Amino acid sequence: QKEVEQDPGPLSVPEGAIVSLNCTYSNSAFQYFMWYRQYSRKGPELLMYTYSSGNKEDGRFTAQVDKSSKYISLFIRDSQPSDSATYLCAMSEPSSASKIIFGSGTRLSIRP
Amino acid sequence: GAVVSQHPSRVICKSGTSVKIECRSLDFQATTMFWYRQFPKQSLMLMATSNEGSKATYEQGVEKDKFLINHASLTLSTLTVTSAHPEDSSFYICSARWLSSYNEQFFGPGTRLTVL
Repeated sequence: QKEVEQDPGPLSVPEGAIVSLNCTYSNSAFQYFMWYRQYSRKGPELLMYTYSSGNKEDGRFTAQVDKSSKYISLFIRDSQPSDSATYLCAMSEPSSASKIIFGSGTRLSIRP
Repeated sequence: GAVVSQHPSRVICKSGTSVKIECRSLDFQATTMFWYRQFPKQSLMLMATSNEGSKATYEQGVEKDKFLINHASLTLSTLTVTSAHPEDSSFYICSARWLSSYNEQFFGPGTRLTVL
């Protein structure tokens, strides 16, 4: 079993829709949770960064962490064609020496 | 802030040659740099972690003698793919963090290597 599971998609939704992206994980020691956006042939860009459980909102993006279920989500409101990209969840343990473990990424396409 | 650059962005080389990729942190001192490899439609696979002035720590299955990593300064790390073969063709991405950024990493734009 992979440490982090993420549905690869592709996921296609119409412009303006609410998008829900999810990851599950198996390591209960993970405390830092991140979402990265990666456009084709580019490096990942950090979108959201949360510590432990709870919600975090930044503009149209909301990240949720449910540690009891080992489940994290990223919601995108009022989705735009420019949101079309691959979204990678990532997580790590608290130690500064910990590696970041990435999900496989979900390819998202927003139809105009 | 927290900008990381890579050079070159794309390189094509013949089989058997060596290729050097540079990773620079432009506006911060990177105490730790990471090198990842990404195949098409797949996630990032960590190859090695390098701390400034120390030998790199390689992940299991990554050949140290094939992927030479040097982190000689707080703003520069290099990855040299030695005696490259077509199976080394991939997207190589570096990331960097500074001591107080804890687990937050900032990624470069990546280098696409094609070995003919």
